[in-house]
Amino acid sequence: AQSVTQLGSHVSVSEGALVLLRCNYSSSVPPYLFWYVQYPNQGLQLLLKYTTGATLVKGINGFEAEFKKSETSFHLTKPSAHMSDAAEYFCAVRGNNNDMRFGAGTRLTVKP
Amino acid sequence: GAGVSQSPSNKVTEKGKDVELRCDPISGHTALYWYRQRLGQGLEFLIYFQGNSAPDKSGLPSDRFSAERTGESVSTLTIQRTQQEDSAVYLCASSLELAQYNEQFFGPGTRLTVL
Repeated sequence: AQSVTQLGSHVSVSEGALVLLRCNYSSSVPPYLFWYVQYPNQGLQLLLKYTTGATLVKGINGFEAEFKKSETSFHLTKPSAHMSDAAEYFCAVRGNNNDMRFGAGTRLTVKP
Repeated sequence: GAGVSQSPSNKVTEKGKDVELRCDPISGHTALYWYRQRLGQGLEFLIYFQGNSAPDKSGLPSDRFSAERTGESVSTLTIQRTQQEDSAVYLCASSLELAQYNEQFFGPGTRLTVL
């Protein structure tokens, strides 16, 4: 079965600082990996996804993630945090049986 | 175009009552999914529909939960004899087809509170 683990339920950074949200996956098949963001009182929005090809994936709002098979990781980064980045971030994996498994989420707080 | 819509946005019910939640997917999206998000937790997969194929019900937590979909349009999630542990946000998502790499578009959710 496929699963993801998000390390850290809450991450706090200062405005302008690097954002790093960690995600490790477990999959018996080549995974398709996703990062979603959920702003307060809103639905989930896709940030980026990895399917095949280039392992460094760029998404919206300046976010990117790198697929590292050797580390079974798909960490999300952004060079410089903005106040508007404060939200809940979910990593997810889909496998051959088409189920989609989400992590427990990481709440990002950005301090002025 | 219009995104995924869900109704009601909020539902408060008494323990033991039945509730019905509605999802209108994006037009043309053949795949539809239901998830549950408990407070402070990640999304829990419940069920998905793909076209006219039999739905994958493997995520439904008990036989009190059921879902239907009419063709490739509206879906309803029904919870019978609600319990307090059913309190959660129920999210619906749709995608173009049931492909692993296709993005799922999420609705705003229905917040269910069971008293």
